[in-house]
Amino acid sequence: AQKITQTQPGMFVQEKEAVTLDCTYDTSDPSYGLFWYKQPSSGEMIFLIYQGSYDQQNATEGRYSLNFQKARKSANLVISASQLGDSAMYFCAMREVKTDKLIFGTGTRLQVFP
Amino acid sequence: KAGVTQTPRYLIKTRGQQVTLSCSPISGHRSVSWYQQTPGQGLQFLFEYFSETQRNKGNFPGRFSGRQFSNSRSEMNVSTLELGDSALYLCASSTGDSQIQETQYFGPGTRLLVL
Repeated sequence: AQKITQTQPGMFVQEKEAVTLDCTYDTSDPSYGLFWYKQPSSGEMIFLIYQGSYDQQNATEGRYSLNFQKARKSANLVISASQLGDSAMYFCAMREVKTDKLIFGTGTRLQVFP
Repeated sequence: KAGVTQTPRYLIKTRGQQVTLSCSPISGHRSVSWYQQTPGQGLQFLFEYFSETQRNKGNFPGRFSGRQFSNSRSEMNVSTLELGDSALYLCASSTGDSQIQETQYFGPGTRLLVL
């Protein structure tokens, strides 16, 4: 069964520091995609970054990068130079080719303090 | 390009009533997916519509239904509301190409409270 695990319910980071949010997944499908979304208190889910299972390089999008370790089935999000506006819930999600459904983890609440 | 819009943003209903939520996708997107988000169950996939047909569905009872119109706008209906249906309902649109890298873009959600 498809499963996404985010073991950190909450994280604190000081402004301008880097932070890593953990995500592990479980799938038997060799073809899958991994996504990270940010959800501020307003509720809207904002797409941050994507990594495909066959991608050789780690994905990067501005201050966001994805530390993809396929053998360990982990896809950690790294936010560099944290900003106060990064305070939000962060969700890891996965889509398998065979199910074509986007399945989400339970999320990590990140709080950035000055 | 305008983003995904959802109406209404907030809704209060009583048990036993029914409710219809609306979602307008990003222009050019043909797929609309619906999700329910609750503190207890997290984000759960309800169903996906593509070209006016339900293409995929999650594990929700038949009280939850949806449809999609020719302009790709979608509606979700919940009949015989229960207290447990109180949630944030999120709609997401995508191109519908069914490529593994296809990104879903979410609307602001509709917060439904059932009393």
